[in-house]
Amino acid sequence: GAVVSQHPSRVICKSGTSVKIECRSLDFQATTMFWYRQFPKQSLMLMATSNEGSKATYEQGVEKDKFLINHASLTLSTLTVTSAHPEDSSFYICSAGREPSEQYFGPGTRLTVT
Amino acid sequence: DQQVKQNSPSLSVQEGRISILNCDYTNSMFDYFLWYKKYPAEGPTFLISISSIKDKNEDGRFTVFLNKSAKHLSLHIVPSQPGDSAVYFCAASEARGSNYKLTFGKGTLLTVNP
Repeated sequence: GAVVSQHPSRVICKSGTSVKIECRSLDFQATTMFWYRQFPKQSLMLMATSNEGSKATYEQGVEKDKFLINHASLTLSTLTVTSAHPEDSSFYICSAGREPSEQYFGPGTRLTVT
Repeated sequence: DQQVKQNSPSLSVQEGRISILNCDYTNSMFDYFLWYKKYPAEGPTFLISISSIKDKNEDGRFTVFLNKSAKHLSLHIVPSQPGDSAVYFCAASEARGSNYKLTFGKGTLLTVNP
């Protein structure tokens, strides 16, 4: 099946700094990528839909100025957590695919803000 | 408000027996339902799906049943194997223009004992 990678897999940063997470589709082109967040023992929550060449669509309650999404090419979307706070610590996962049943998820990024 | 609910956080089954994972939903606009399997520190992997116009879909050891009137679906794994031990997420898809949105349940941890 298709492969989606994420980098980094783990990151620890200090409060107030910014962190960039990359999501790449390795063997297919993705016009749309999705960013999810998962808290411990909770479900994956869709944060935003990233569209290549246009602005991302954010879910209700997600601050677009805090979670900056850039989808500059058909194989790369980035999520930047700006001015990170401890409550931003979470597991961030991206996915890509044309249809729900063709949805390929990255391995996730564990963000810890100290 | 949780639109997709997995009320059993965990399930333990003996190898060779049937595993039944349940999922309930509230949104009538969902048109596709999916099951994903997830290991720790990895992204979910797609298992099986079912369209809202069907009531059963089978793929090898995995069968998904949909009861639309009850807004309930279930995943049957027969026979269960120790390698099936993982967290299983139920997800539902609704169309959003040319895109779609996946809503996930909280997951059920399946443990298959040898």
